Amino acid sequence: DAKTTQPPSMDCAEGRAANLPCNHSTISGNEYVYWYRQIHSQGPQYIIHGLKNNETNEMASLIITEDRKSSTLILPHATLRDTAVYYCIVSADRGGGFKTIFGAGTRLFVKA
Amino acid sequence: NAGVTQTPKFRVLKTGQSMTLLCAQDMNHEYMYWYRQDPGMGLRLIHYSVGEGTTAKGEVPDGYNVSRLKKQNFLLGLESAAPSQTSVYFCASRPQGANYGYTFGSGTRLTVV
Repeated sequence: DAKTTQPPSMDCAEGRAANLPCNHSTISGNEYVYWYRQIHSQGPQYIIHGLKNNETNEMASLIITEDRKSSTLILPHATLRDTAVYYCIVSADRGGGFKTIFGAGTRLFVKA
Repeated sequence: NAGVTQTPKFRVLKTGQSMTLLCAQDMNHEYMYWYRQDPGMGLRLIHYSVGEGTTAKGEVPDGYNVSRLKKQNFLLGLESAAPSQTSVYFCASRPQGANYGYTFGSGTRLTVV
């Protein structure tokens, strides 16, 4: 699985958009980009994923660059409850074994 | 639909004791995983399973054993607990195929004294 690089922490004002970047310059053609978040000590929560097209769901939008070497998770209107650690993961299902290694992620602080 | 259920939620063990953590999922997922998370760190993969009766080692498998006798259950065993195994343990499951995300349990907080 390709390695990802994220900033250790970011701040965002409540009600504003939070843009969380992720670099994955060694991504392979069959690898997806996944985003998860972990609020305090809870289990990680799946947010969104994509292959090469931009994706949007009720939680967030995912923008993947044309060369797929980086992506941005966008929380359009951040709230205090969005304060969490956000993980960017790149991986592919290889049939016989699919595993994901979570790194340190980005700690997002949403401030009132 | 409960999702992924972990038992117990908390446990304190003495060094050398053994225990089993149970993970149960009711979503008919093929793949199941055990992770550990130490304070201030990300999640590290211990063992995983891609189907009933199969298991494989992850990043930090030493000191742990697993079994997947039934598709819906994935057990993590500690034969002789050590203080270094004090951690929060998360179980996760997902369907086969890359077009799915994980569903995680709420975690088991284990302290070995």
